[in-house]
Amino acid sequence: GQQLNQSPQSMFIQEGEDVSMNCTSSSIFNTWLWYKQDPGEGPVLLIALYKAGELTSNGRLTAQFGITRKDSFLNISASIPSDVGIYFCAGQEYSNYQLIWGAGTKLIIKP
Amino acid sequence: KAGVTQTPRYLIKTRGQQVTLSCSPISGHRSVSWYQQTPGQGLQFLFEYFSETQRNKGNFPGRFSGRQFSNSRSEMNVSTLELGDSALYLCASSPLLLTGGGYGYTFGSGTRLTVV
Repeated sequence: GQQLNQSPQSMFIQEGEDVSMNCTSSSIFNTWLWYKQDPGEGPVLLIALYKAGELTSNGRLTAQFGITRKDSFLNISASIPSDVGIYFCAGQEYSNYQLIWGAGTKLIIKP
Repeated sequence: KAGVTQTPRYLIKTRGQQVTLSCSPISGHRSVSWYQQTPGQGLQFLFEYFSETQRNKGNFPGRFSGRQFSNSRSEMNVSTLELGDSALYLCASSPLLLTGGGYGYTFGSGTRLTVV
């Protein structure tokens, strides 16, 4: 099925480092969503973005809705061990409201 | 309040068999959506039910079907299982019909299906 381009696929970082990941699409979206999935669990919504240019924070997480409506990024500042997991972006298409998912970014913290 | 409950958590089936997965949404939620998750493929939308009617459907073959009961509980059925059907199947509930949209979704922990 149709997917967003989410990168990087995985990240190995040191505790305390900042993290950045992004998603791009050829389609215009009217909503961008960022989810986190812990092992053995379903995804949990972190941040929802509804307007082009919107910048929203949730604790150490910050996400932005790209001006072109075709991209979004998620930043995590000062990573901690519980940040490990898979982060998914999802975009809702402007034309038919179908939700399209990225393949995920796996975050691993080096001991 | 109780979250979204999916049963069973794990299932092993043989090729050619059929399987039924169950999802109990959060109390008061009327929309139930199903997703298939395979490694490296993200989440693929299967279908969404609202008030016992399928309102939206993804690009999956007819072997994948579902239904929703009057109490909003939903079941998903896969017939003639293939090896490629091995995946984590996630159910998500919402108070509203979102035609595939994700905000307001609460996901269950999923059913991991292995086809051998």
